[in-house]
Amino acid sequence: GNSVTQMEGPVTLSEEAFLTINCTYTATGYPSLFWYVQYPGEGLQLLLKATKADDKGSNKGFEATYRKETTSFHLEKGSVQVSDSAVYFCALSEDTGRRALTFGSGTRLQVQP
Amino acid sequence: DARVTQTPRHKVTEMGQEVTMRCQPILGHNTVFWYRQTMMQGLELLAYFRNRAPLDDSGMPKDRFSAEMPDATLATLKIQPSEPRDSAVYFCASGLVLGRLSSYEQYFGPGTRLTVT
Repeated sequence: GNSVTQMEGPVTLSEEAFLTINCTYTATGYPSLFWYVQYPGEGLQLLLKATKADDKGSNKGFEATYRKETTSFHLEKGSVQVSDSAVYFCALSEDTGRRALTFGSGTRLQVQP
Repeated sequence: DARVTQTPRHKVTEMGQEVTMRCQPILGHNTVFWYRQTMMQGLELLAYFRNRAPLDDSGMPKDRFSAEMPDATLATLKIQPSEPRDSAVYFCASGLVLGRLSSYEQYFGPGTRLTVT
């Protein structure tokens, strides 16, 4: 079956530091890959996505590249802000009609001023 | 700004009581998902509807959970009887799927935080 593995948190960084959150996946076929962000007390928001190998998703300074050879989709940001503090979820959606998401366990990011 | 809405936002109930959670998907979306989030299990898919028809509810405990879509603007998740282990945040998400090349994006509601004592 499908699965997503994320690095354990929490990740604590100082403002303007470089961020990497690792994500690897196991899937049959050609899944689409996503990063969702969850702020305290809120639902999940789509941050970025990539639907095929070598695609790069980007949004709000965050980037992730779909690497089929390493089955990875690592999230990066060059300079984090306090407002980026949240929980980040890597997810995949299989390329069949089902389209349900399989999530990783989430990584909490804490950015200190 | 179209959003998925969920009610109630918080629910505290006693073991054995019936709980009903409601979701209004984004107008025009044809796909609705119910997820449950707990510290131990993370985010799990409970049920999935396309054009109001249930396509997958294999993630739900069948003896006590039921999910329906009475119409295109309302999805419900019911627990009867509720148990303390059902305490979690329940999210509804909606999306538009028209074929294999459709967007895979899902839009999440704010969730219902359920506490069963």
